[in-house]
Amino acid sequence: DAGVTQSPTHLIKTRGQHVTLRCSPISGHKSVSWYQQVLGQGPQFIFQYYEKEERGRGNFPDRFSARQFPNYSSELNVNALLLGDSALYLCASSFLAGEETQYFGPGTRLLVL
Amino acid sequence: GNSVTQMEGPVTLSEEAFLTINCTYTATGYPSLFWYVQYPGEGLQLLLKATKADDKGSNKGFEATYRKETTSFHLEKGSVQVSDSAVYFCALRETGNQFYFGTGTSLTVIP
Repeated sequence: DAGVTQSPTHLIKTRGQHVTLRCSPISGHKSVSWYQQVLGQGPQFIFQYYEKEERGRGNFPDRFSARQFPNYSSELNVNALLLGDSALYLCASSFLAGEETQYFGPGTRLLVL
Repeated sequence: GNSVTQMEGPVTLSEEAFLTINCTYTATGYPSLFWYVQYPGEGLQLLLKATKADDKGSNKGFEATYRKETTSFHLEKGSVQVSDSAVYFCALRETGNQFYFGTGTSLTVIP
């Protein structure tokens, strides 16, 4: 079975632009979480979605938003990009919202110039 | 609040050496504890977990014991291999869906 997939793998944007990152969970998984991993740091929780509803939100500004589609794939949107948004963005999926074992994708590396 | 502190790296060991990576946590309740591993160019993979005090998680020769009295979850392996070279992350999850990760410890094992 395919694991969690994310696209694109790499992305370069300039300050003020908007970006959309995509995630496809493992088949059958209904929960998707997004994390930001700045170089040299651990992942920081951004959002969790389950059955198309937001179930959790980390301490990120409103420039960050996400949604989940009927097929359980998800998009993370970031508006008005700042240099500090440069990071590896990780998506993780699990079957249920409260499940402890998450499966991570390889991430999208975003560079903001 | 919740947080995880793990020993800073990088850690460099010779093959077959003993490994310890320290991890301590702060939590308001009774969290589950995890170790994730990130190999170069790959996503995070769950290495092991423990869900309550005194539980021992183990996988691939790695072990960690949930110590409530010292709020610790140190990762150990008796004999490391070159293939263990990776970044190791300690994490906790309390009620709710949010995971809290440490900053990661880079391990390099040399032949």
